Amino acid sequence: GAGVSQTPSNKVTEKGKYVELRCDPISGHTALYWYRQSLGQGPEFLIYFQGTGAADDSGLPNDRFFAVRPEGSVSTLKIQRTERGDSAVYLCASSSSGRGNIQYFGAGTRLSVL
Amino acid sequence: KQEVTQIPAALSVPEGENLVLNCSFTDSAIYNLQWFRQDPGKGLTSLLLIQSSQREQTSGRLNASLDKSSGRSTLYIAASQPGDSATYLCAVFGTDKLIFGTGTRLQVFP
Repeated sequence: GAGVSQTPSNKVTEKGKYVELRCDPISGHTALYWYRQSLGQGPEFLIYFQGTGAADDSGLPNDRFFAVRPEGSVSTLKIQRTERGDSAVYLCASSSSGRGNIQYFGAGTRLSVL
Repeated sequence: KQEVTQIPAALSVPEGENLVLNCSFTDSAIYNLQWFRQDPGKGLTSLLLIQSSQREQTSGRLNASLDKSSGRSTLYIAASQPGDSATYLCAVFGTDKLIFGTGTRLQVFP
């Protein structure tokens, strides 16, 4: 596609539920990143994929968060037992090879946990 | 641990002014530094990328400088326009991820 696509654009869920957020990167980009942005803050790193493998998952806040990229393209961020504090905008970015190349961002998924 | 700070947090100026946005970072071991623009409810758009070996980059009315040794970068916007109104984010690329500042919210009024 022309850019990074994220779905859904908005997700409202109840505390304790499970959610999946999808990211479709730019075709051919091997590097994929997930960030989380709270209101009034800059994005914070969650996880980085190079191809199918998670090269760095040090930003995942706890074991309720998990992400996959099984075929090296689309990635899914999964959050179990959601909490109100998980409410934020989740941003996905891709780049041609990681390692300092320009990252192209999607519009994000706004997650609201009630 | 790398920390990125942006000053000012918010700025409101009349159209036509030249602006300087500041970014500082605590660890000079960076791969590059990027400036992004974020419009409300939208994702981030990359404006300029400065490699660690470079001193500045220019794109149209935008000029970004980098002084790695002192941990500083500035984004200069010439002849500001209402369409420049947005949040501007600075981010440094360390080992394998971007570390962002909290942004400068810019409003340019006619």
